[in-house]
Amino acid sequence: DGGITQSPKYLFRKEGQNVTLSCEQNLNHDAMYWYRQDPGQGLRLIYYSQIVNDFQKGDIAEGYSVSREKKESFPLTVTSAQKNPTAFYLCASSIPGQWVYGYTFGSGTRLTVV
Amino acid sequence: KNQVEQSPQSLIILEGKNCTLQCNYTVSPFSNLRWYKQDTGRGPVSLTIMTFSENTKSNGRYTATLDADTKQSSLHITASQLSDSASYICVVRRGGGNKLTFGTGTQLKVEL
Repeated sequence: DGGITQSPKYLFRKEGQNVTLSCEQNLNHDAMYWYRQDPGQGLRLIYYSQIVNDFQKGDIAEGYSVSREKKESFPLTVTSAQKNPTAFYLCASSIPGQWVYGYTFGSGTRLTVV
Repeated sequence: KNQVEQSPQSLIILEGKNCTLQCNYTVSPFSNLRWYKQDTGRGPVSLTIMTFSENTKSNGRYTATLDADTKQSSLHITASQLSDSASYICVVRRGGGNKLTFGTGTQLKVEL
């Protein structure tokens, strides 16, 4: 079955530590996105990529980094510069310009600072 | 400022009852509006998409409406089931680009 796989489901980060969240899709979608979800707030865009080897900052990119070396993969690194990283992180993919199909979301990674 | 506001913030209903969730937006220019269902600890799943020219669209027990003049949308759930317990998120796409604006969601709980 085609879909998006995020791992791990739960992640704990110590102060000053970098962590990487994995996102893999087998939908052959060109575009991939990372969103952050906090209680009482709408999803906020961190980074997005429309094509391999290219990505753009979203609304809240500070303290995060990404790479897009393969079409299927779009990992997100939460760096020590992100002062409040505890949140639910969602990865999504889409076919650029095909708005009728919308986004396919992964099941999310819950990151907690300990 | 482009915003999407949803009401109520949370809602509890008895199984078998109907309910209606509201979404008001100020996003302009408007391209389309989509309702997502998000189960706890999962990613959102699309229920329906509304474009400018559409007033009503159904997906099983879910019926979405759109009034582009007043910039309002609603999601009506008929004969609710326990599995309808989830967060329902309204998302508006701005015309001419890839920008999405997400509402904060309505948390629905269906009880016996």
